[in-house]
Amino acid sequence: DIQMTQSPSSLSASVGDRVTITCQASQDISNYLNWYQQKPGKAPKLLIYDASNLETGVPSRFSGSGSGTDFTFTISSLQPEDIATYYCQQYDNLDTFGQGTKLEIK
Amino acid sequence: QVQLVQSGAEVKKPGASVKVSCKASGYTFTGYYMHWVRQAPGQGLEWMGRINPNSGGTNYAQKFQGRVTMTRDTSISTAYMELSRLRSDDTAVYYCARDSGHRGSYGPWGQGTLVTVSS
Repeated sequence: DIQMTQSPSSLSASVGDRVTITCQASQDISNYLNWYQQKPGKAPKLLIYDASNLETGVPSRFSGSGSGTDFTFTISSLQPEDIATYYCQQYDNLDTFGQGTKLEIK
Repeated sequence: QVQLVQSGAEVKKPGASVKVSCKASGYTFTGYYMHWVRQAPGQGLEWMGRINPNSGGTNYAQKFQGRVTMTRDTSISTAYMELSRLRSDDTAVYYCARDSGHRGSYGPWGQGTLVTVSS
């Protein structure tokens, strides 16, 4: 199985900050990586697909980059409604999620 | 609109089996893979496997091989996930999620089904 190592596991930032989360795959997955946002008690929501493509309706402050084994998810200016847990997910060889990053407001 | 509605919460004893259903509406059921993802209390997301509703073909995560069975009934646009030999650490919310319009990603998701395993 492909392992996904996501960091940090938790993050505290202020409104307006730039926030970055990384995800590393245990082998080359090309750009077969997605990013999700999950709020408490809710199902996850797709934000970024194929590493860098913004899902329709998702604010442009969210972005993704990377290929191969190293990927980055960025919120350019943190908003209060962005408080959630974020997950990466690979689909190169079956599917695997990263461990998640819990984002809190400082 | 596209919607996935799951069956209700379950309480099971260790060693028992549970079968969760996921009824789809608003799209052609056989046109999209269906995935099952679980989330233990306070923990992350864990992909369990997927089913091709058209062919019935399945792929399971290695961790669940031999314990999970995913099936579907195309006549009622419903997917099922059965997990056997339940343990306390199988206590989790189980989600079904359809392939989105983008290969390899999920959306929409069902509302989740809480399965509690307790003696």
